[in-house]
Amino acid sequence: KAGVTQTPRYLIKTRGQQVTLSCSPISGHRSVSWYQQTPGQGLQFLFEYFSETQRNKGNFPGRFSGRQFSNSRSEMNVSTLELGDSALYLCASAGLAGTDTQYFGPGTRLTVL
Amino acid sequence: AQSVTQPDIHITVSEGASLELRCNYSYGATPYLFWYVQSPGQGLQLLLKYFSGDTLVQGIKGFEAEFKRSQSSFNLRKPSVHWSDAAEYFCAVGSGTYKYIFGTGTRLKVLA
Repeated sequence: KAGVTQTPRYLIKTRGQQVTLSCSPISGHRSVSWYQQTPGQGLQFLFEYFSETQRNKGNFPGRFSGRQFSNSRSEMNVSTLELGDSALYLCASAGLAGTDTQYFGPGTRLTVL
Repeated sequence: AQSVTQPDIHITVSEGASLELRCNYSYGATPYLFWYVQSPGQGLQLLLKYFSGDTLVQGIKGFEAEFKRSQSSFNLRKPSVHWSDAAEYFCAVGSGTYKYIFGTGTRLKVLA
């Protein structure tokens, strides 16, 4: 079974631009969560989508948004990039129940110049 | 407020020595607890999880963790560390959703 895939793996943008990251979950998984990982703040929950609906949301500004498609693939968008948005963005997929194991992808390393 | 504390930022052990990584949590409800490992440039891999039942949980790669409600702790242990265990370890708490709260991580170095 293929794992969680994230594209692209690396991305360089400049301040003010926007960026879209993609995540393909494990086949059969309908929950996709996004996390931001930085040296200063650690791993922080962004949001979770389940069956195309946002089910949970973290404490991030509205510049961070996401969506999920009918095939469970998810995209995350960050508008008006700031230097502080430089981070590793991790996607995780899981099954129906909140007690299922979350499987993480390798992440997208975003650098904002 | 809900939180997870990993008091040790860095730990160095010799190969073959035993290991204990500490994790303390603050959570109002019954917590679901997890340990993940992250190798450089990689995502997170689940080592073990605790939802209920036996408070000593066995995981992959020879790791185990013990849930102690009275101490609000979920420490990770391994009797004999291998050089390949060098990585960063994260403790996390959840409540039945996938909105996990992670600790700041403990970076493990293994000396040959």
